[in-house]
Amino acid sequence: NAGVTQTPKFQVLKTGQSMTLQCAQDMNHNSMYWYRQDPGMGLRLIYYSASEGTTDKGEVPNGYNVSRLNKREFSLRLESAAPSQTSVYFCATGQHSSNQPQHFGDGTRLSIL
Amino acid sequence: RKEVEQDPGPFNVPEGATVAFNCTYSNSASQSFFWYRQDCRKEPKLLMSVYSSGNEDGRFTAQLNRASQYISLLIRDSKLSDSATYLCVVIQSGGSYIPTFGRGTSLIVHP
Repeated sequence: NAGVTQTPKFQVLKTGQSMTLQCAQDMNHNSMYWYRQDPGMGLRLIYYSASEGTTDKGEVPNGYNVSRLNKREFSLRLESAAPSQTSVYFCATGQHSSNQPQHFGDGTRLSIL
Repeated sequence: RKEVEQDPGPFNVPEGATVAFNCTYSNSASQSFFWYRQDCRKEPKLLMSVYSSGNEDGRFTAQLNRASQYISLLIRDSKLSDSATYLCVVIQSGGSYIPTFGRGTSLIVHP
């Protein structure tokens, strides 16, 4: 998915370790989003950045922090990983308007032991 | 009540069948609607937008019923490759523009 690139693709952490998930886009979109997807739960919004320089909490922000480094990059940090944060994480981009769909990266599969 | 609801399925249909999914939403201020497709262990990908007058893209037809607050996706002449999870997405008007995703409907097309 050349438009939205996530790194790493897979990661295994121990409880208490920290980690930053990276997301970069070349679609010139203003807005960027971080979701987690768990079986039976669907996609849940963690944080989003409507435009460069702003970030806001989503539905499930606890345990996470984000940085909108510039227009292209939006990172998600787990300061002290917990097993409950084992999930698939998706970054998405969009134009933060009512009629524009989002475009997703191919995900980061994170396991916390 | 969840804001966006979908029957999780799975819908198990033979090749060539016609299948339809509905997605109900609770907020009447909802403005925009989309269908995404998600293959196993892959990212969601936009399938089509849903317009007020209904719209078609090949074998796929999307419709919106504002009075009853639901959107639908009809797939004609199902192919094996249509097997996936279909997510509906609703965006509200009024400034937040945060998409709300349904949990998805699983479709399995068998030979």
